[in-house]
Amino acid sequence: DQQVKQNSPSLSVQEGRISILNCDYTNSMFDYFLWYKKYPAEGPTFLISISSIKDKNEDGRFTVFLNKSAKHLSLHIVPSQPGDSAVYFCAASSFPGTYKYIFGTGTRLKVLA
Amino acid sequence: DVKVTQSSRYLVKRTGEKVFLECVQDMDHENMFWYRQDPGLGLRLIYFSYDVKMKEKGDIPEGYSVSREKKERFSLILESASTNQTSMYLCASSPPGPSSPLHFGNGTRLTVT
Repeated sequence: DQQVKQNSPSLSVQEGRISILNCDYTNSMFDYFLWYKKYPAEGPTFLISISSIKDKNEDGRFTVFLNKSAKHLSLHIVPSQPGDSAVYFCAASSFPGTYKYIFGTGTRLKVLA
Repeated sequence: DVKVTQSSRYLVKRTGEKVFLECVQDMDHENMFWYRQDPGLGLRLIYFSYDVKMKEKGDIPEGYSVSREKKERFSLILESASTNQTSMYLCASSPPGPSSPLHFGNGTRLTVT
């Protein structure tokens, strides 16, 4: 049973516009969420995180929004750049007591120049 | 910067072979992880270790074992490789604390024929 879902396998956006990547989760015990970016032939790199005590976290062009009641988070990239083209994974964990992160299936973002 | 190094980028092995995947991190992290990445399935946790000689099963441990004799090194062992273990294998490390992001290596693409 997929506890973290990214229902859009791919997304294309024009350069300069906003990219919105979505992630849904089913486990109400999750309280820490991360986004990773993965280029081909490289490992995922950490992008941004949010804990359940917040509903928004911003880092430069990247903002993550968390809607706990809907069990939904989203990553906004503004403005999108061609170098943002990659696969994006969301991940969730619950604590205390576990170091396990549950990853979504990923969304491939293509930013068109 | 944290560096997580996986010893091989590409491996081709035959069915039934014993396969060792090696991972070394240079940041003195307590936690180390092995994931596999498959299309449409995201990243799935095989095993993790929170200390030397300590290990815990992840979500898909069947057919795998691990070894952590030194803090910086975490090995994944395929006891008898099978074709369904053809995958991208990703090693990661993190400091203690469930809200610490994972730092990934570049992955090993294993093909079992």
